[in-house]
Amino acid sequence: EAGVTQSPTHLIKTRGQQVTLRCSPISGHTSVYWYQQALGLGLQFLLWYDEGEERNRGNFPPRFSGRQFPNYSSELNVNALELEDSALYLCASSLVLGTGVSYEQYFGPGTRLTVT
Amino acid sequence: KNQVEQSPQSLIILEGKNCTLQCNYTVSPFSNLRWYKQDTGRGPVSLTIMTFSENTKSNGRYTATLDADTKQSSLHITASQLSDSASYICVVSGGGATNKLIFGTGTLLAVQP
Repeated sequence: EAGVTQSPTHLIKTRGQQVTLRCSPISGHTSVYWYQQALGLGLQFLLWYDEGEERNRGNFPPRFSGRQFPNYSSELNVNALELEDSALYLCASSLVLGTGVSYEQYFGPGTRLTVT
Repeated sequence: KNQVEQSPQSLIILEGKNCTLQCNYTVSPFSNLRWYKQDTGRGPVSLTIMTFSENTKSNGRYTATLDADTKQSSLHITASQLSDSASYICVVSGGGATNKLIFGTGTLLAVQP
């Protein structure tokens, strides 16, 4: 069974540009999560999508946005890139959430974004 | 404030030795606690997941414990191997509609020959 896949693996952008990162969840998983891991820091929750809807977002500015497609794959868009956006962006997927139940999240390999 | 704190920040041990990593949390409500292993530049991989009713769970040479009363967890690694060198992250879930995970900053473990 294929795991969570992300593309691209690495990306270099300049300040002010826009970037789109992509994630394909494990087959059968409907929830997709995005995290940012800056160098030396813990993972910070960005966004959670389930069944095409944004369910929750972390404490990030509106220039971080995304969407989930009917096939449950997802995109993370970052506009007006800033130097501090340089980080490893991780996508995770899980089975559908039941009320009060948190299913295991499986992580992809990440996309390393460098903003110069 | 929901927080997960891990100690030590980093640890160096010799191959074959045991070690224990600590995790304290203040997340409420509490649904479950997970330990992940993250190799440099890779995504985290789940080692164990425990609900509040579970005190201990093993996965090979990894054994996690949970004390929901004191809100503490530990990860014990037995007979360490060079491949155990990684960051170990404690993650607490509050469950519910937000499904938000609170991540610790991790303990960086280096196993030396």
